Amino acid sequence: ETGVTQSPTHLIKTRGQQVTLRCSSQSGHNTVSWYQQALGQGPQFIFQYYREEENGRGNFPPRFSGLQFPNYSSELNVNALELDDSALYLCASSLAGGPNQPQHFGDGTRLSIL
Amino acid sequence: AQSVTQLGSHVSVSEGALVLLRCNYSSSVPPYLFWYVQYPNQGLQLLLKYTSAATLVKGINGFEAEFKKSETSFHLTKPSAHMSDAAEYFCAVSDRRGSQGNLIFGKGTKLSVKP
Repeated sequence: ETGVTQSPTHLIKTRGQQVTLRCSSQSGHNTVSWYQQALGQGPQFIFQYYREEENGRGNFPPRFSGLQFPNYSSELNVNALELDDSALYLCASSLAGGPNQPQHFGDGTRLSIL
Repeated sequence: AQSVTQLGSHVSVSEGALVLLRCNYSSSVPPYLFWYVQYPNQGLQLLLKYTSAATLVKGINGFEAEFKKSETSFHLTKPSAHMSDAAEYFCAVSDRRGSQGNLIFGKGTKLSVKP
């Protein structure tokens, strides 16, 4: 069984640029959630995709957007990057079935903004 | 609104000693609770989950957690610490902003194990 994979593993950008992060969900999982983990903090929910539609969102501005594809893989796009966007971005996949389903995480993309 | 509080940002134990990591939750609905572990430069690995089937939940690597509704707690324990247990541990409660469930995490507890 293939786990959650994320690419790239590391990325360096400058303020104002745009970035796209990618995630392949675990085999059979049709729901993808994205989280931002700042240094020394717990992950914070950005948004969730199910059936190729955004399915719930945390307290993140619209410049954070995403996509889910028919094969359940997903992208996270961030426009107009700010210094505070520097963080580890984690993708998690799960089976649809409600909030009791555990989420399985990838190793994340470390984004640094200069 | 759901929330999680982890008491103690850093816990240090000796190898072979009891591990106790504390987690208290706040939830307006019966909660689903999870413990995850994060090793350096890695993502989060699920240790165990509580979904109302049993109050004492056994997980991987010898960890277990007990759900106590009266204390709104879900503390993580392991009878005997190993060096390989050194990592950061996160308690999480399931939220419903995502219709398939999303997680609200505590700030984490870093566990150090001394030889």
